[in-house]
Amino acid sequence: EAGVAQSPRYKIIEKRQSVAFWCNPISGHATLYWYQQILGQGPKLLIQFQNNGVVDDSQLPKDRFSAERLKGVDSTLKIQPAKLEDSAVYLCASSQGQKLFFGSGTQLSVL
Amino acid sequence: GESVGLHLPTLSVQEGDNSIINCAYSNSASDYFIWYKQESGKGPQFIIDIRSNMDKRQGQRVTVLLNKTVKHLSLQIAATQPGDSAVYFCAEIPNTGGFKTIFGAGTRLFVKA
Repeated sequence: EAGVAQSPRYKIIEKRQSVAFWCNPISGHATLYWYQQILGQGPKLLIQFQNNGVVDDSQLPKDRFSAERLKGVDSTLKIQPAKLEDSAVYLCASSQGQKLFFGSGTQLSVL
Repeated sequence: GESVGLHLPTLSVQEGDNSIINCAYSNSASDYFIWYKQESGKGPQFIIDIRSNMDKRQGQRVTVLLNKTVKHLSLQIAATQPGDSAVYFCAEIPNTGGFKTIFGAGTRLFVKA
């Protein structure tokens, strides 16, 4: 069974630039999550989708972050404009129940 | 606010010894708990779970203990191996619906050969 796919693997940008991350969940998984993991910390939920609808985006900084899952499968997370404090690993996960399956993440460095 | 924390940020054990990783949770409404293992450069990976109606669950070389009275979880790894070196997170899922998972800060386990 293929796992959660994410790209790119690494991204380096300057502050105020924009960046986008892509995620392809495990086939058949209705729920998709984006987490932000700052170095030395646990993952923090940014947004949760159920099919193509948003279940929870309470911790998403909506002035600069946006996410979509238009067809209920792939998802993109965008940051515009990026700040230094956005440097982190962005993890995508999918699930059919309460157990999460994570991708390897995108490591973002904002200079 | 909701939080799941860990008592020790790092733990160093000798290969072959048993490891115990502890976790405190704050939401008494949580009814499901999961331990995840995160190796360098990878996303967290499910290890073992436990529901609030249980106080112990065993897997292959791993055991999770739940003490609801003091809101404490522990992960025990028997005969720790070098491949067990990773960061371990406990996570709680409150029974508020929506499968929201709250992660703690993690404990880094070093296994000495």
